[in-house]
Amino acid sequence: AIQMTQFPSSLSASVGDRVTITCRASQGIRSDLGWYQQEPGKAPKLLIYAAFRLQSGVPSRFSGSGSGTDFTLTISTLQAEDFATYYCLQYNTYPWTFGQGTKVEIK
Amino acid sequence: QLQLQESGPGLVKPSETLSLTCTVSGGSISSSSYFWGWIRQPPGMAPEWIGNIYQDESSYYTPSLESRTTISVDPSKNQISLKMTSVTAADTAVYFCVRVLTPAGSGWIPFDPWGQGTLVTVSS
Repeated sequence: AIQMTQFPSSLSASVGDRVTITCRASQGIRSDLGWYQQEPGKAPKLLIYAAFRLQSGVPSRFSGSGSGTDFTLTISTLQAEDFATYYCLQYNTYPWTFGQGTKVEIK
Repeated sequence: QLQLQESGPGLVKPSETLSLTCTVSGGSISSSSYFWGWIRQPPGMAPEWIGNIYQDESSYYTPSLESRTTISVDPSKNQISLKMTSVTAADTAVYFCVRVLTPAGSGWIPFDPWGQGTLVTVSS
């Protein structure tokens, strides 16, 4: 199975900060990478698919980049509602696999 | 707007079978534009993909669960089902059903939307 290594596992940031989360695949997955945001007690929500495509309704401060094995999710200007846990997902090869998550906390 | 709603027992005894249903509203599960999946998330952990079922009813499962997991569809009820046999405490998790959109001429859009999830606890 393709392993998705996500880092950091947690970070502290302030409103207005720029935040970057990284996901590394154990083998190439082209651009078959999604990013999800999960608030406590809720289902994950799709932010980005195909590595960089913004899902409809998602604010433009979220962006994704990368292809092959290395990917990043960037929040350009962190807002209060962005404090949550973020997961990457590879859907290039079965079994589809998630990263272990990055918890974004308030500094 | 497509909505998914999971349902089933919240408590299952060890060695028994977990059975969940996902009812889809706002669209037909038989549309050629998407297929369906199940994901689970143990408390405090990352989501884990369980399996997908395509419109031709072919399916794929994560290897660690494949031998005891079955996903099926019932178009007459617009439902997707999950059955997992011989459960243990390690199967305690919130279970989600999800859609994968397959727009023509474009890449897949995975896992959107999600159901609200249903907590299944395995305990005697």
